[in-house]
Amino acid sequence: DTEVTQTPKHLVMGMTNKKSLKCEQHMGHRAMYWYKQKAKKPPELMFVYSYEKLSINESVPSRFSPECPNSSLLNLHLHALQPEDSALYLCASSQESGYTEAFFGQGTRLTVV
Amino acid sequence: GESVGLHLPTLSVQEGDNSIINCAYSNSASDYFIWYKQESGKGPQFIIDIRSNMDKRQGQRVTVLLNKTVKHLSLQIAATQPGDSAVYFCAENAGGSQGNLIFGKGTKLSVKP
Repeated sequence: DTEVTQTPKHLVMGMTNKKSLKCEQHMGHRAMYWYKQKAKKPPELMFVYSYEKLSINESVPSRFSPECPNSSLLNLHLHALQPEDSALYLCASSQESGYTEAFFGQGTRLTVV
Repeated sequence: GESVGLHLPTLSVQEGDNSIINCAYSNSASDYFIWYKQESGKGPQFIIDIRSNMDKRQGQRVTVLLNKTVKHLSLQIAATQPGDSAVYFCAENAGGSQGNLIFGKGTKLSVKP
C-alpha cells in the first residue's frame, strides 16, 4: 500500500463552521505533512509532524489546528476560516522527515463561503 | 525570504522530443532536492530525487542534474510522451532532518502529438 488517503475530497464550509480534514497512510511512515495549494501556485508547507510530534509550524494562523492521533493518521481542524483560505489542502507522508521522498494524497478541495 | 524558482513557466514540446525543465534555488544550505509531477486534480507525484553529494541521477526516462556552483537543478525527460503533460515542481529540503520541503513555482509541460 503506497497510498495517502485524504477525506473528504471536496468540502464547502461557512465562515462560522467547524470542520476537519483527515489523512491516513499505512506505509509505516513516521513523518506527515500538511500543505496548502492555491490555483496555479506551488504547494506551501503548513505543518510537519515527526514521530507524532509537531516539528514545524510555518506561522500558520490558529484557525488551522493540526492533530496527529497516531502514526497513521493526521487531521487538520478548521474553525472560523476566511474565503481566502479556499484552496487544495494536501497531506503527505515520508519514511522520515528530511531526506526521503514524500508521498502525497489527492488533496481536499476546500471552499469557504 | 529565500525561495526556489523556475526559469520558464511553460514549456511546449513535440511528442518524442526530449524535454528539459530548469529550476534555480537560492538557499545554499539545501542539500536534498526532489522533482514532482502534478496532473490536474491530483496531488504531486514523486519523480526523482538527488542529494547534494551527487551531480547527476538517472531514472526511467528521466535524469536530474544538480549544479551546486550556480544553484541550478534540471529535469530531463527523454522521448516525451503525451502522458508527461503536467506541471513539474522542483522542491528543496532547506531544513535538514526537519523536513522543511519547499516547492518552486512550477513549469507546465505541454506535449504536442
